[in-house]
Amino acid sequence: QVQLQESGPGLVRPSQTLSLTCTVSGASIRGRDSYWSWIRQHPGKGLEWIGHISFSGGTNYNRSLESRVTISLDTSKTHFSLKLSSVTAADTAVYYCARFLMGTSWYYDLWGQGTLVTVSS
Amino acid sequence: IVMAQSPVTLSVSPGERATLSCRASQTVNRNLAWYQQKPGQAPRLLIYGASTRATGIPARFSGSGSGTEFTLTISSLQSEDFAVYYCQQYNNWPPDSFGQGTKLEIK
Repeated sequence: QVQLQESGPGLVRPSQTLSLTCTVSGASIRGRDSYWSWIRQHPGKGLEWIGHISFSGGTNYNRSLESRVTISLDTSKTHFSLKLSSVTAADTAVYYCARFLMGTSWYYDLWGQGTLVTVSS
Repeated sequence: IVMAQSPVTLSVSPGERATLSCRASQTVNRNLAWYQQKPGQAPRLLIYGASTRATGIPARFSGSGSGTEFTLTISSLQSEDFAVYYCQQYNNWPPDSFGQGTKLEIK
């Protein structure tokens, strides 16, 4: 069974860097049919796409965040990571990792349970 | 691409039909998915390709539409169906566009 699990600090100070890891189990992170993604959800709001990374390390980022975002892939350790720099209270959200599957059809088929990150001093 | 969902909130009684709409600012062909999200949970894939149910999704869920107009219909609402529903396009790369969501609540 394929599972994704987010981990990282639940509290980040303003101006610091938010760092999260998504551990993938039951599937190869090297799969050519997968884009490993980060999506966040502000309290009581909708889903905001942050960015993704392919098996080869290619990335796309949300234009509104790309100056602060880095997504990386550790194929040897079957996890991928998110770094968001210079955070403010507006970055307080539940952060999800997800897999965008590009098989015969395309969709987000797997999601982590989500982790709440609060930005506060 | 901007995805707009309507209504924002839909109140329906159990056993009745619910119809949720999603409109794209430009054509996405049939490259549209629907997700269900319950409180405290991650979204769950319901529909992809505008009308194909994902594995394990009950037949009371159906999707239709193409181009810019899409509909998610739940034929006979069960208690577990009251949730927030999101549409998402994957016609344009990257697949970054979600609708703002429709909250389906018990009337």
